[in-house]
Amino acid sequence: QVQLVESGGGLVKPGGSLRLSCAASGFTFSDYYMSWIRQAPGKGLEWVSYISSSGSTIYYADSVKGRFTISRDNAKNSLYLQMNSLRAEDTAVYYCARGVLGVVGYYFDYWGQGTLVTVSS
Amino acid sequence: EIVMTQSPATLSVSPGERATLSCRASQSVSSNLAWYQQKPGQAPRLLIYGASTRATGIPARFSGSGSGTEFTLTISSLQSEDFAVYYCQQYNNWPWWTFGQGTKVEIK
Repeated sequence: QVQLVESGGGLVKPGGSLRLSCAASGFTFSDYYMSWIRQAPGKGLEWVSYISSSGSTIYYADSVKGRFTISRDNAKNSLYLQMNSLRAEDTAVYYCARGVLGVVGYYFDYWGQGTLVTVSS
Repeated sequence: EIVMTQSPATLSVSPGERATLSCRASQSVSSNLAWYQQKPGQAPRLLIYGASTRATGIPARFSGSGSGTEFTLTISSLQSEDFAVYYCQQYNNWPWWTFGQGTKVEIK
C-alpha cells in the first residue's frame, strides 16, 4: 500500500535551518509529482512546493520562495525540503503528498502523517 | 491567486442527518476541485476529485457536485466517524493550488 513517512521536524530558532525528508513506498516513486503542504497550528492547509517526477520542474509558494528548496532522490524513493532562514510563521505540520493527474491539473491522493516544525527562540 | 471560500465555518449535525457543505471559488475552476477530510491529529484524506468522483474506498454517502465557482459536498447520513474538518481545494490553476479554510462538522 502507498506510504509516505515524513521526518526531520523539530524545534529551531528563527533564522535557523532544517531539512525534512519523506520516505515513499508502495508505488513507483519516480512516476509521480510530489508536493509539500503545511498546516499551521489550528489553521488550514497551505501548499508550499512542488517537484515534477524527474525533478526538472519546481515551483514554490511566494511565502517560501528563496528560502526553501525542494528536491528528490528517485533512487532512494525520497523527497526532501531544505528550509533556511526560518521564521516564526513557518511553524506548522509539514506534509508530503503525492500528486495524481486529473482531467486538468494534479490533486493529492495520498498524504503522509506530517512532521511538526516549530520556529521559536 | 484563486481564493476558495467555504461555508459555514462550523456545521452542527445530529448522527443520521444530512450535511451540506459549500465551497466557492473566486474565479472558475471548471470541475477541477477536490474535497478532503481531516480528523484531529491525522493527515487529510482525499474524498472527492473532479468535483463529483469519489476516491477509492470512499463510502457512497459522500457526494460532490458543482462546477465553475460553486461546489457542494453532501454527506447523506452522518456517521460517527464523519465528524471532522472538510477542505475543498482547486487544482485548475496548478501548481498554484489553493484550499478553502475548512468546515468543521461537529456533533449536535
